[in-house]
Amino acid sequence: EPEVTQTPSHQVTQMGQEVILRCVPISNHLYFYWYRQILGQKVEFLVSFYNNEISEKSEIFDDQFSVERPDGSNFTLKIRSTKLEDSAMYFCASSVENTYEQYFGPGTRLTVT
Amino acid sequence: AQSVTQLDSQVPVFEEAPVELRCNYSSSVSVYLFWYVQYPNQGLQLLLKYLSGSTLVKSINGFEAEFNKSQTSFHLRKPSVHISDTAEYFCAVREGQGAQKLVFGQGTRLTINP
Repeated sequence: EPEVTQTPSHQVTQMGQEVILRCVPISNHLYFYWYRQILGQKVEFLVSFYNNEISEKSEIFDDQFSVERPDGSNFTLKIRSTKLEDSAMYFCASSVENTYEQYFGPGTRLTVT
Repeated sequence: AQSVTQLDSQVPVFEEAPVELRCNYSSSVSVYLFWYVQYPNQGLQLLLKYLSGSTLVKSINGFEAEFNKSQTSFHLRKPSVHISDTAEYFCAVREGQGAQKLVFGQGTRLTINP
């Protein structure tokens, strides 16, 4: 069964550094998403991406964040100048269309020290 | 604004007992509803969904949920739980008018005791 994959599974970085989290969505899916879950808190929506552009974003998704689909398979989340409060589990998801269910990857645990 | 409330943060039950995990939402428009399950050290897996049609939806592993529009609820039930059902369960809502984001509840940790 096709699945969303994410790399790395765990990333440790120092405050102020840039990180790139990578995702490979399911191959025939057209919509891509990033969510995050700070330890002990709800899963929060960050951004959705369709047709090579951001289609929706939350107030969390400020200029510190960017997303890109650099080729036909990868979908990346870049966090510039990481802060301690960026420590969280980051989930990538994809869906066939925006009206269909979203399938999630296993997550990348980001630890900012 | 949309919000999802899962009233119970933890639910301990004995194996083979029935369980209900509660989910209430608030939205001024039509919604699509989902339950996701997160097993220890794993990602979110879709358990079941309500998009339209029959208000009672079922999963392949015995869970079911019923969409109740008047009570704005989508409670998850299983008549007899197994040790392997131990996980965190998340209710999520997506508004049906073009919005793409899922809004999640805070999750309910289901612990099955032998």
